[in-house]
Amino acid sequence: KQEVTQIPAALSVPEGENLVLNCSFTDSAIYNLQWFRQDPGKGLTSLLLIQSSQREQTSGRLNASLDKSSGRSTLYIAASQPGDSATYLCAVRVGNQFYFGTGTSLTVIP
Amino acid sequence: DTGVSQDPRHKITKRGQNVTFRCDPISEHNRLYWYRQTLGQGPEFLTYFQNEAQLEKSRLLSDRFSAERPKGSFSTLEIQRTEQGDSAMYLCASSFYRGNTEAFFGQGTRLTVV
Repeated sequence: KQEVTQIPAALSVPEGENLVLNCSFTDSAIYNLQWFRQDPGKGLTSLLLIQSSQREQTSGRLNASLDKSSGRSTLYIAASQPGDSATYLCAVRVGNQFYFGTGTSLTVIP
Repeated sequence: DTGVSQDPRHKITKRGQNVTFRCDPISEHNRLYWYRQTLGQGPEFLTYFQNEAQLEKSRLLSDRFSAERPKGSFSTLEIQRTEQGDSAMYLCASSFYRGNTEAFFGQGTRLTVV
């Protein structure tokens, strides 16, 4: 069974810092990997999708990389802002299912 | 299109009652998923539809749970004889079948069983 791990579980940084969130998965036979943002009590907002054949994707201040062979992905957030405070989840798609990590709770301090 | 819509947003019910949730996916999407999320955990897969066909069900989906997607449009998730352990956020997502299979999630239905 696919296991997805996210490190760290929580992260607190001052505004303006660049930061990296990590995601690892045990089975490299994935179709794609997706990063989501979740605000407290809300649903998931899609941030970036990386297909299994891709190495990275960028959207604004966000950059996600994928190393399928080693089972790792990183989400890089540049110049963090207080509005970036949320839980960030990664999910890998295997067959018709998405397997999620437990998330990294990010707090950006003004 | 405003994205995936779920109704209701919140539901409080007494143990033993039946509840039904509705999900309206993005209109062009033929794949629809239900997930359940408990506090501090990532979402867990419940079931998946391609058009009107329910193709996969998780072992988490006990016989008290049933999902339908008539005509391949909206979907409903019913929980019969609710238990306190059913308290969770129920999330619906949709995606295309081919090409860009990015999944889009709704805002979820928060169920509290008292």
